Amino acid sequence: GAVVSQHPSWVICKSGTSVKIECRSLDFQATTMFWYRQFPKQSLMLMATSNEGSKATYEQGVEKDKFLINHASLTLSTLTVTSAHPEDSSFYICSATPSGTSYEQYFGPGTRLTVT
Amino acid sequence: GQSLEQPSEVTAVEGAIVQINCTYQTSGFYGLSWYQQHDGGAPTFLSYNALDGLEETGRFSSFLSRSDSYGYLLLQELQMKDSASYFCAVDTGRRALTFGSGTRLQVQP
Repeated sequence: GAVVSQHPSWVICKSGTSVKIECRSLDFQATTMFWYRQFPKQSLMLMATSNEGSKATYEQGVEKDKFLINHASLTLSTLTVTSAHPEDSSFYICSATPSGTSYEQYFGPGTRLTVT
Repeated sequence: GQSLEQPSEVTAVEGAIVQINCTYQTSGFYGLSWYQQHDGGAPTFLSYNALDGLEETGRFSSFLSRSDSYGYLLLQELQMKDSASYFCAVDTGRRALTFGSGTRLQVQP
């Protein structure tokens, strides 16, 4: 099956610093990837849709200047959390759908971010 | 706005059958998916319904009634490893998913 990887799997950073999270589709191309955030014992909330070669589409309430998304190639999307604060501590998960399929999304293993 | 309602918790014993319901209210609807997530892990795809009716995949089945904006996931012959959170999710047409609040299933021996 299709595999999506994320790096790092966990990261601890100090308040005010920036953190970059990578999402890669390992065995398929993805013109669109999605970034979700999940707080403990809560559901996944869509943050943004990452489009290869164009600007990301952000959900209402998500600051685009704080959560920078770059979709540099058909297999790589990055999320940079800028000027991180403790309230940004969360589980960040990306997903992608292989071209030609319409509904099954493959999720990365997630990145647990802790801001101290 | 979008809303998907699920029970927060369900408990059942090994070998039993459990049904997790999902009602949705969304601005668009292309299909209802179900995902399983173990603690600390990523969601994994279980099933998808675009049309009314029952879809069966091994021990798991999923049902959809578009007229009632309702679906359910049926898990049969429960095993301890089925203890996890289960999310229904709607594709509203943008391919991104809107997730329900999740149902935590605890399987007891």
